[in-house]
Amino acid sequence: DAKTTQPPSMDCAEGRAANLPCNHSTISGNEYVYWYRQIHSQGPQYIIHGLKNNETTEMASLIITEDRKSSTLILPHATLRDTAVYYCIVRRGYGGATNKLIFGTGTLLAVQP
Amino acid sequence: EAGVAQSPRYKIIEKRQSVAFWCNPISGHATLYWYQQILGQGPKLLIQFQNNGVVDDSQLPKDRFSAERLKGVDSTLKIQPAKLEDSAVYLCASRSPSGRAYEQFFGPGTRLTVL
Repeated sequence: DAKTTQPPSMDCAEGRAANLPCNHSTISGNEYVYWYRQIHSQGPQYIIHGLKNNETTEMASLIITEDRKSSTLILPHATLRDTAVYYCIVRRGYGGATNKLIFGTGTLLAVQP
Repeated sequence: EAGVAQSPRYKIIEKRQSVAFWCNPISGHATLYWYQQILGQGPKLLIQFQNNGVVDDSQLPKDRFSAERLKGVDSTLKIQPAKLEDSAVYLCASRSPSGRAYEQFFGPGTRLTVL
């Protein structure tokens, strides 16, 4: 699975958009980009994933560059409850017996009041 | 729908002692995972079960760690004997075979401190 690079920490003002970057320059054609977040004292939680098209859910948007070497997770209106560590993970497809997630150190997003 | 349950939430032991953690996955979830999360790092997979069979235990330190899922439902992770470097949060996760394959549901974790 491709390696990802994320900034260790970011700040965002409450109510503003939070843009979290992820670099995955060695991504392969069959690898997806997944985002998870981990709020303090909780387990990680799935947010969104994509292959090459931009994706949007109620919680977030995922923008993947045309060359797929980087992506940005966007939280459109950050709240204090969005303070968490955000993990960008790149891995192959959906299935396979070993549906393994390999977490890096992620980005600690601190939403400021 | 009830989430993944883990107990205890906190455990403090001395090195060379033994400890066990328990996990009850979401009902119907055939796949169960144990992760170790050291402070400041992301979770690292220790072992994956499919029903009561082991799919991947390549990262499990088998000289001291063991895990079982005898009836394909709840699971126990044991450390014997514990070392200082085992201090971490131990997370259990489960996944439904019919749901989105990438979406693992995590429990709150057990925070282990080894003194």
